Amino acid sequence: QLQLQESGPGLVKPSETLSLTCTVSGDSISSNDYYWAWIRQPPGKGLEWIASIYYSGNTYYSPSLRSRLTISVDTSTDQFSLKLTSVTAADAAVYYCAREAIWSGFHQVDAWGQGTLVTVSS
Amino acid sequence: QSVLTQPPSASGTPGQRVTISCSGSNSNIGSSTVNWYQQVPGTAPKVLIQSNNQRPSGVPGRFSGSKSGTSASLAISGLQSEDEADYYCAVWDDSLNGHYVFGTGTKVTVL
Repeated sequence: QLQLQESGPGLVKPSETLSLTCTVSGDSISSNDYYWAWIRQPPGKGLEWIASIYYSGNTYYSPSLRSRLTISVDTSTDQFSLKLTSVTAADAAVYYCAREAIWSGFHQVDAWGQGTLVTVSS
Repeated sequence: QSVLTQPPSASGTPGQRVTISCSGSNSNIGSSTVNWYQQVPGTAPKVLIQSNNQRPSGVPGRFSGSKSGTSASLAISGLQSEDEADYYCAVWDDSLNGHYVFGTGTKVTVL
């Protein structure tokens, strides 16, 4: 059974870099059928897709966050990671890692981690 | 600011049918398949509908999805108290090098 577990600091200072890691278990991150994604949800607000990555390193990024984002994958540990630079209070959110299935050329998020709350404060 | 527009709220009494709309464009709904998610506050979203109208195993049959052109809909037939939650549509958007987009979300209240 697939499990996705986010880890990383729950508190980041303004202007610093937010770094999160997702550990995948119960499935191989090297599967041909999936991308691996990050999604966030500010308190009381809606869902925002951030980025996704294939095991080969191919990436897609949110147009609005692209300039501050790096997503990476480590197939040896079945982990993928997110780095978001120059954070502000607007980046405070619950961050979810997720699996993004490829179906007939279309991407669809079909599994979620439990989420981790990141607060931005000095 | 999402490119997929949903009504902010919907409501009904137990047993009623509730419909939620999701409006997009040719680069997203018009050229891809729509997915729907249910989120009970404080928990992670759950997949409700995939590929426009496919229910994953375990999702009750009272949930159904449809798509026409650049719009999609989620219907809840026989509304139950446990259906009170937030609902999001989502789709792959081919513009700007490709990215996934979520709708603005709809809060369903069971009266």
